[in-house]
Amino acid sequence: DTGVSQDPRHKITKRGQNVTFRCDPISEHNRLYWYRQTLGQGPEFLTYFQNEAQLEKSRLLSDRFSAERPKGSFSTLEIQRTEQGDSAMYLCASSFRPGPNTEAFFGQGTRLTVV
Amino acid sequence: SQKIEQNSEALNIQEGKTATLTCNYTNYSPAYLQWYRQDPGRGPVFLLLIRENEKEKRKERLKVTFDTTLKQSLFHITASQPADSATYLCALYNNAGNMLTFGGGTRLMVKP
Repeated sequence: DTGVSQDPRHKITKRGQNVTFRCDPISEHNRLYWYRQTLGQGPEFLTYFQNEAQLEKSRLLSDRFSAERPKGSFSTLEIQRTEQGDSAMYLCASSFRPGPNTEAFFGQGTRLTVV
Repeated sequence: SQKIEQNSEALNIQEGKTATLTCNYTNYSPAYLQWYRQDPGRGPVFLLLIRENEKEKRKERLKVTFDTTLKQSLFHITASQPADSATYLCALYNNAGNMLTFGGGTRLMVKP
């Protein structure tokens, strides 16, 4: 098991285009999180899944953002009609079980640049 | 509103000294508090978790304290090394226990 994997590592896109990121969590981790991080800030929560169910979405997640986790394995985060303000690092994390005493394992992130 | 605050100014210290980072929170009632390390261009890496009934926890050169009365956690690195230079993040789950939220992080620079 190589940990949480994210693809691509970097993405440059033109404003108005759609982008999709993929996250492969550690196998058997049933909780999966998406975060967004801008320079000098901590990760901001976007959404999380428990298996295939999306249980919470942040107000940061506008209608242009959608996330899926089919079959409770990998997850995708799609941003439609990208805007320059979407430029950020998008981080995925997984944990073995829910609960506040559980550590989260992060991927390396996908850095999005909207030009 | 719920807030997790860390000193946004970078902390610069000399190699061999002890680094102390602060995490303050409001409107949380956490049973656990976590600390992560983040290197530039990489995802955070878990370091330590401390329970509310643990006043102090240690791991090698790391020490974390958790004061639920002050609503504060302190993170110490003793005998600091240049390799300890990174951003350190504290994190809490919300009161429902289903959403891990991070502070803004403090950047530590250890000079040789």
